[in-house]
Amino acid sequence: QSALTQEASVSGTVGQKVTLSCTGNSNNIGSYAVGWYQQISHGAPKTVMFGNSLPSGIPDRFSGSKSGTTASLTISGLQPEDEADYYCSTWDYSLSAQVFGGGTKLTVL
Amino acid sequence: QVQLQESGPGLMKPSQTLSLTCTVSGGSISSGSYYWSWIRQPAGKGLEWIGRIYSSGSTHYSPSVKSRVSILVGTSKNQFSLKLYAVTAADTAVYFCARYNWNHDAFDIWGQGTMVTVSS
Repeated sequence: QSALTQEASVSGTVGQKVTLSCTGNSNNIGSYAVGWYQQISHGAPKTVMFGNSLPSGIPDRFSGSKSGTTASLTISGLQPEDEADYYCSTWDYSLSAQVFGGGTKLTVL
Repeated sequence: QVQLQESGPGLMKPSQTLSLTCTVSGGSISSGSYYWSWIRQPAGKGLEWIGRIYSSGSTHYSPSVKSRVSILVGTSKNQFSLKLYAVTAADTAVYFCARYNWNHDAFDIWGQGTMVTVSS
């Protein structure tokens, strides 16, 4: 049971806008920024979002936001290469631990 | 450009101690606002944080493994290590090292990962 809750799967067509969500509580998302990580075919994760700012080299079709205890990753103009598993993560002060969501499998139809 | 590389045994027996090393290249482990972290992923499952260390030696560990884990800064300035005691088959996973950047409140650099199998 993950501390953060993500959709198990999301799908979209090329060019579509999709939003992945990550829900926590006041001990984690409500208090800290959320990072988002892309993992293709169980390879090394790649950071695609620092809170609401883009790492260098990540296309600007990726954007992040947070409202209360839910964080979101939006991909505008979905591309075939965006098909991957996406994980959210943040610090939880009640656990004194970094926590991850269970991951969302994004399929590009 | 900073890069991370994990190394360690691929196959272990139950009850042994897992020792993994993460070598940092292109930068110093003692510079900047970073935590140096270990994360693992069992086959077909999600990412699980194990723990982290600051260059001063200060550590935080996941409650799920806290009783049998140690993360240390290596004798070489640019290495840090993971020791997981009394391993079982449940510890079979790909182990990643990663750099956590305080300025971004997120992991910003990841190693490629190393597979560890625990089997009798």
